[in-house]
Amino acid sequence: QVQLVESGGGVVQPGGSLRLSCAASGFTFSSYGMHWVRQAPGKGLEWVAFIRYDGSNKYYADSVKGRFTISRDNSKNTLYLQMNSLRAEDTAVYYCAKDTVGELSLCDYWGQGTLVTVSS
Amino acid sequence: DIQMTQSPSSLSASVGDRVTITCQASQDISNYLNWYQQKPGKAPKLLIYDASNLETGVPSRFSGSGSGTDFTFTISSLQPEDIATYYCQQYDNLRITFGQGTRLEIK
Repeated sequence: QVQLVESGGGVVQPGGSLRLSCAASGFTFSSYGMHWVRQAPGKGLEWVAFIRYDGSNKYYADSVKGRFTISRDNSKNTLYLQMNSLRAEDTAVYYCAKDTVGELSLCDYWGQGTLVTVSS
Repeated sequence: DIQMTQSPSSLSASVGDRVTITCQASQDISNYLNWYQQKPGKAPKLLIYDASNLETGVPSRFSGSGSGTDFTFTISSLQPEDIATYYCQQYDNLRITFGQGTRLEIK
């Protein structure tokens, strides 16, 4: 069965950096696009970034463009999110999610999330 | 950017009630509209894709309809396990946008 396991969350100071990972199993990782979606405490879902199945195209929300970088290693079945210049408003649970196809469409499987707290 | 307006933001209903949530897009999105359920402390779960298609394993009391800019999500007979927050979501070439969510409670 599809499994997505995020890791790398924690507490970081404003202006700091953090790299999240998402280990995928149970499907052919290299055939599907992948997303990062976040949820601030008590708030709704906010899409963060998407990467095409082969890594050739990447798309970002305006709120993170220029600060966050999505990447993938298909040989390791792992998705990453490099987060730089972190702000208090980046505090959230970060979910990785699998798309149904190689391109951007929708999220059919989600991980359990990892909490990122940006605070001094 | 395409904006999604979801209503109501919260809803209280009794077991057995028919529940309806609406989602309006700021421009025509054809049928590129999906619905998710999120229970407290859990990851979201896909229920309906492409406006009206039921995801495998999802109970038939859930349904969706609409196209263009106006969409509807319906629970035909509310069950206690349906207590959750529901989100609509659209996708275009470059991004995904979620609605603000509808928190569903039992009366």
